Amino acid sequence: KNEVEQSPQNLTAQEGEFITINCSYSVGISALHWLQQHPGGGIVSLFMLSSGKKKHGRLIATINIQEKHSSLHITASHPRDSAVYICAVNGNQFYFGTGTSLTVIP
Amino acid sequence: NAGVTQTPKFQVLKTGQSMTLQCAQDMNHNSMYWYRQDPGMGLRLIYYSASEGTTDKGEVPNGYNVSRLNKREFSLRLESAAPSQTSVYFCASSETGRVNEQFFGPGTRLTVL
Repeated sequence: KNEVEQSPQNLTAQEGEFITINCSYSVGISALHWLQQHPGGGIVSLFMLSSGKKKHGRLIATINIQEKHSSLHITASHPRDSAVYICAVNGNQFYFGTGTSLTVIP
Repeated sequence: NAGVTQTPKFQVLKTGQSMTLQCAQDMNHNSMYWYRQDPGMGLRLIYYSASEGTTDKGEVPNGYNVSRLNKREFSLRLESAAPSQTSVYFCASSETGRVNEQFFGPGTRLTVL
């Protein structure tokens, strides 16, 4: 069973396109996290949110607690955005999605 | 600040060998975690330490032991490595508990032959 489901699994976009990655979860949570894993393997936290919307540069994260759904949007995508994006939630433990692999082509 | 550091970055073991993965953080965080990442699967929690002096099992603890040596350091030991333990291992830390943002180390790629 997967407490956190992400879609799509893989995504290829042209530079400049608007990108959306979706995350659905099935457990009660206190917070949801979006992580970025670079091709070299390092993982960095992009957002932590428990309601509403957060924006950082070209990245926007939203969450709908009632629908147990979150989206990560990237505006004006760039090849340097190519990475794996991981959704994770704080339930009674930490649950991770399997990630969305994004490739942005120049 | 170095953040979260892990050693080694790469390791190859033979079945049955033992080794310890080291992790240290310089952010004065209370909580530390060990995860493994396998292809097609999300990160899975092996062990965590909510605070200095305490450790608890995560989702996949079998075959591993941990030591929270002090507030900075949290090590993961494989007593008798098995091929099923071939994986990428990540250490992470957070201020307190899992509600806070986690900061990840660079990972250790382990191969067990």
